[in-house]
Amino acid sequence: DAGVIQSPRHEVTEMGQEVTLRCKPISGHNSLFWYRQTMMRGLELLIYFNNNVPIDDSGMPEDRFSAKMPNASFSTLKIQPSEPRDSAVYFCASSPGTSGDYEQFFGPGTRLTVL
Amino acid sequence: AQTVTQSQPEMSVQEAETVTLSCTYDTSESDYYLFWYKQPPSRQMILVIRQEAYKQQNATENRFSVNFQKAAKSFSLKISDSQLGDAAMYFCAYRRLTQGGSEKLVFGKGTKLTVNP
Repeated sequence: DAGVIQSPRHEVTEMGQEVTLRCKPISGHNSLFWYRQTMMRGLELLIYFNNNVPIDDSGMPEDRFSAKMPNASFSTLKIQPSEPRDSAVYFCASSPGTSGDYEQFFGPGTRLTVL
Repeated sequence: AQTVTQSQPEMSVQEAETVTLSCTYDTSESDYYLFWYKQPPSRQMILVIRQEAYKQQNATENRFSVNFQKAAKSFSLKISDSQLGDAAMYFCAYRRLTQGGSEKLVFGKGTKLTVNP
């Protein structure tokens, strides 16, 4: 299995530009999570989906952030317009999403730098 | 809301020695899961060990074991026979138990572990 795939691995952009981060979860996983990691705030959940439906988006900072999951194999996190304080590592994770004990599998992360 | 606290920003250990990383959490739930994740410099998040709150027996995975004290809401990680490859950030995480679907992880701020040769 290829694991969770994220692209790009690194993104450098200028303030005000639109940024789109992409994630392909592990095949067969029903739950997908977007986390953000910063030095100040640590790892925090932005949004998660079950069966392509957003369940909890309370961690999305503001209207500049949006996330979609059009199908079971693809999700995007968009920032428009980007700001320097959005600089962070963004992780996507997926899990089988069925009841019981199950692990969240993390992608390698996208390091975003907004100048 | 659930919170997870790791009171040790940094720890160091000599190779082959034992080290314990601390974690406390706050929740009103009676059933939940606890995890320790390792993040090496590669940035990849790797699950080290998990504990179900309804199980009294402490989880063990090779050189890694936990001391789970439910009443005290404490979940420490013990690494025995430390190896250079254990050097990483370690994150304690909490997740609610649900009957269906999935749930988010709530992470502590992490402990940076250095292993000295």
